[in-house]
Amino acid sequence: NAGVTQTPKFRVLKTGQSMTLLCAQDMNHEYMYWYRQDPGMGLRLIHYSVGEGTTAKGEVPDGYNVSRLKKQNFLLGLESAAPSQTSVYFCASKLSRERYGYTFGSGTRLTVV
Amino acid sequence: RKEVEQDPGPFNVPEGATVAFNCTYSNSASQSFFWYRQDCRKEPKLLMSVYSSGNEDGRFTAQLNRASQYISLLIRDSKLSDSATYLCVVGRGTGNQFYFGTGTSLTVIP
Repeated sequence: NAGVTQTPKFRVLKTGQSMTLLCAQDMNHEYMYWYRQDPGMGLRLIHYSVGEGTTAKGEVPDGYNVSRLKKQNFLLGLESAAPSQTSVYFCASKLSRERYGYTFGSGTRLTVV
Repeated sequence: RKEVEQDPGPFNVPEGATVAFNCTYSNSASQSFFWYRQDCRKEPKLLMSVYSSGNEDGRFTAQLNRASQYISLLIRDSKLSDSATYLCVVGRGTGNQFYFGTGTSLTVIP
């Protein structure tokens, strides 16, 4: 049982380049999330999805887009990368009921130069 | 005001010690509460949920005070393997979104 898988694990981008981060879960979870983690800032929510075909903005959505075409996948796109987007990105998923916690992927370390 | 506030520490304690972490949350509409553990350069992992009546899991005890909007975690008989950053988490909203504290760093010393 793989849980939540993120690809790639590491990436270096030049300013202005685009990329897509992929998150895949095999637990049939309804809800999926993208966070970024920066030193001293904690984990901040970028976008989330409560089901296939739905997305919503979190705390820090600017500069990112997402899509959830299939229940098991949640894609995070950076259209024109900026150095301020250098961060560790975590994907998470959970069952819809409140009492369940998140399962996280292992993270993507992105550096924008 | 931050959604979740924690003392960042660091807490350096000897093996076998008891250590307590506290956090406060700002939104009274928060519906779910958790403690997560994060090891260096790893993803956060669920340590335990926190219930209004308080709950215990082995050496770990969590308490929630909704009136004061306060959550605590007590670790008894600390082990070297408990060294990590502990994240206080509250959930709310239509998507059960989680809001994370910045974490409290714990180092257990032999």
